[in-house]
Amino acid sequence: AQKVTQAQTEISVVEKEDVTLDCVYETRDTTYYLFWYKQPPSGELVFLIRRNSFDEQNEISGRYSWNFQKSTSSFNFTITASQVVDSAVYFCALIYNQGGKLIFGQGTELSVKP
Amino acid sequence: SAVISQKPSRDICQRGTSLTIQCQVDSQVTMMFWYRQQPGQSLTLIATANQGSEATYESGFVIDKFPISRPNLTFSTLTVSNMSPEDSSIYLCSVLTGLRGYTFGSGTRLTVV
Repeated sequence: AQKVTQAQTEISVVEKEDVTLDCVYETRDTTYYLFWYKQPPSGELVFLIRRNSFDEQNEISGRYSWNFQKSTSSFNFTITASQVVDSAVYFCALIYNQGGKLIFGQGTELSVKP
Repeated sequence: SAVISQKPSRDICQRGTSLTIQCQVDSQVTMMFWYRQQPGQSLTLIATANQGSEATYESGFVIDKFPISRPNLTFSTLTVSNMSPEDSSIYLCSVLTGLRGYTFGSGTRLTVV
């Protein structure tokens, strides 16, 4: 079965704290792609990162970093020094064949308080 | 990456009526996807729309309720028919675009009263 699990439904932190959003995926395929999207209160989906199954290098983009570990089927997302503007729902997603459908996790609602 | 213009951004509709949502892409794309996001929930794929063929619906979604048109490679519509309050959701269209994977429209926030 193809599945994405985001066990954290809601997370609340105080500004400047670091926060990690967990994502665990299941797939039988050896070739797949993982994504993170941000959905602010306005509702649109903002692309954050795409990672293919053959690239296990961690990535850093400003305050954002991603840890991809195939051994544990995890693709976790860390925000360093969180800001109020980071408040949003974050979705992890999986696609297991190019052009196929995205399978979304349940989402994690992050609230960053000043 | 592609830019998608989705209309309307929000609407409040009476039960029993229908609403058509439009998505216009600034480049030609083969596949367009329609998603539903019920309040507080994740995104669920409704159907995949290819130009020149019938849309492919996911389990639990039927053409009579969610008819889709795909007249060309840059445009698609989704109609929510005979609406009930349970149809209150955000509806999003999406296209597959290169390295970024998928680009999403800004969404249509539908409330059925």
